[in-house]
Order: sequence, then C-alpha cells, then structure tokens
Amino acid sequence: QKEVEQDPGPLSVPEGAIVSLNCTYSNSAFQYFMWYRQYSRKGPELLMYTYSSGNKEDGRFTAQVDKSSKYISLFIRDSQPSDSATYLCAMSAGNTDKLIFGTGTRLQVFP
Amino acid sequence: DSGVTQTPKHLITATGQRVTLRCSPRSGDLSVYWYQQSLDQGLQFLIQYYNGEERAKGNILERFSAQQFPDLHSELNLSSLELGDSALYFCASSVGWDSLETQYFGPGTRLLVL
Repeated sequence: QKEVEQDPGPLSVPEGAIVSLNCTYSNSAFQYFMWYRQYSRKGPELLMYTYSSGNKEDGRFTAQVDKSSKYISLFIRDSQPSDSATYLCAMSAGNTDKLIFGTGTRLQVFP
Repeated sequence: DSGVTQTPKHLITATGQRVTLRCSPRSGDLSVYWYQQSLDQGLQFLIQYYNGEERAKGNILERFSAQQFPDLHSELNLSSLELGDSALYFCASSVGWDSLETQYFGPGTRLLVL
C-alpha cells in the first residue's frame, strides 16, 4: 500500500463548478500538507500549504486537513478552464523530512 | 517561470547508456532537490543537496548519483540505463535546507530510454 493515495481521475467538470480533490494517507506522523498544481509539460507549483489539521483558504482555493481520518481535500470554487491541470497532494512528517507525493488527479474544466 | 532551469528538455538514449541532467537553481537558493516522476509511481524524491553537501537521500538507485558544484548548479548522473528509468526528472530549489513549502520546481527533463 502506498503511503499517499490519490484518485488519478480524470475529473471533468463544467466551468463554474465546485471541484473537490482528495488524498488519503497512512502515516500518522505527517504534519505538513501541500497541494501542487502541474500544467502539462511544466513543473509542479505550490498552491496551498497547511500545517496540522484545519482549513486554509486562498482566493478560490480551500485546503482541508482531517488528521483523525488521514484525509486531505482541496476545494476549488468557481472553477475555470485555466484550472485544468494535474493536482498533486504532498505531505511530510517534519520540516526537514522529504515530501511524499500522491500520483496526482487530472482535472479538466470545460467551458 | 520559477527561475529554476534544467537542461536538456528532452533526452532519448539506449539501454545501458549514461546520461547527465543539469539543474541551475534560482538565484540565492542553496538547496537543490531531484525528483523522478513516472506514470505509475508519481513524483518521487531522489536526493537533496545543500550548499554543496548531500543533505537527504530518498529512493535513489545506486546507478544514479548527483552532485552540487561550488556555483550551486547540480547534476544528476544516471548510468546503466534501463527501460524503467524513462520518466520526467525534476529539479527544485529552495533557500534553506528545511524549506518544505518554498521549493520551486524547474520545467523538467523528459528521459526516454529505448
């Protein structure tokens, strides 16, 4: 079993929809949780960074962490075609520990 | 543009060969990280260098090695290549050695082993 599980998709939604992307993990030591966006043929770019449990909001993006369920989510409100990309979750047990990535969920937002 | 550069963009080679991938970090960044991204395994951390010294090691094969030079650029050497080494190789950089949230990724090198 992988440490981090993520549904590969693709997830196809109409413009304006609320998108929910999720990851589950098995290592209870993880404390740092990140979401990266990766456009085709580009490197990943950091979208959201959360420490421990709770919610964090940034514009149209909200990250949620539920450590009791070992489950993290990224919500995208009012999705746009420009949001079409692969979204990778990543997590780590400590600030100096390596990042463990999910395999990514491919999102397509159609006009 | 993240400010991290990687060369070459694409590389096609044969099994058994050796290749070198190059990465230049963002100006001012002292840490360089190497990652491998394949369809089935996702993005996997290989190795980190900080200011010329190896800082952390991940799932890096013995056939692979890396180094960081005094000018802070880094090279990843892949030898005795196998078909399964075909993947995207990313370099990322950050200012410090513990900068989890501030890793900036380069555009990657796409390696195809035939």
